[in-house]
Amino acid sequence: GAVVSQHPSWVICKSGTSVKIECRSLDFQATTMFWYRQFPKQSLMLMATSNEGSKATYEQGVEKDKFLINHASLTLSTLTVTSAHPEDSSFYICSASQGGEQYFGPGTRLTVT
Amino acid sequence: AQSVTQLDSQVPVFEEAPVELRCNYSSSVSVYLFWYVQYPNQGLQLLLKYLSGSTLVKGINGFEAEFNKSQTSFHLRKPSVHISDTAEYFCAVSGPRSNDYKLSFGAGTTVTVRA
Repeated sequence: GAVVSQHPSWVICKSGTSVKIECRSLDFQATTMFWYRQFPKQSLMLMATSNEGSKATYEQGVEKDKFLINHASLTLSTLTVTSAHPEDSSFYICSASQGGEQYFGPGTRLTVT
Repeated sequence: AQSVTQLDSQVPVFEEAPVELRCNYSSSVSVYLFWYVQYPNQGLQLLLKYLSGSTLVKGINGFEAEFNKSQTSFHLRKPSVHISDTAEYFCAVSGPRSNDYKLSFGAGTTVTVRA
């Protein structure tokens, strides 16, 4: 139980375009989901907390207009990287909260060329 | 706010030898503590967690950790490692029932197991 999926697993896009990443809780409902960013050989940095039916809460230093988060249902949260640039290339990981524990998705590798 | 310090960035170890990964945390409130493992290009898998109760926590794959409140530590141990234990390990802390269970991660420890 408590499986979280992400789609796509990897994506390459051109600079200036937007890309959407989906995070789904497959066998449970999650009122809260989290989005993390991980650079190579580094730890996970929390970007934002996504709450179903309300606006996301962004961590300090994260541009909310650049990283759009939508949590339209109890099983789906999306992260859209708008006007992507090469410096946005990273590994993006989501997690869904249930019972005080976070369950992590497999991650999405974004490469912006 | 909580923070986590993983004292070892890299830990090389021979197969079948024991390993200990050190984690210290700072918090003004009682916390939940976690250890996760990450294999290359994958998400995080929970090894074990401390929420309350017994300070010795046993997890998957033969790992265990001990919560020491006086030393604010949560060190991870395995008595005999395998090649397959080569991975990145993260210690994390969250405040109980606060901040929607937001996790703060340590910098990670790279474990490399050699034959």
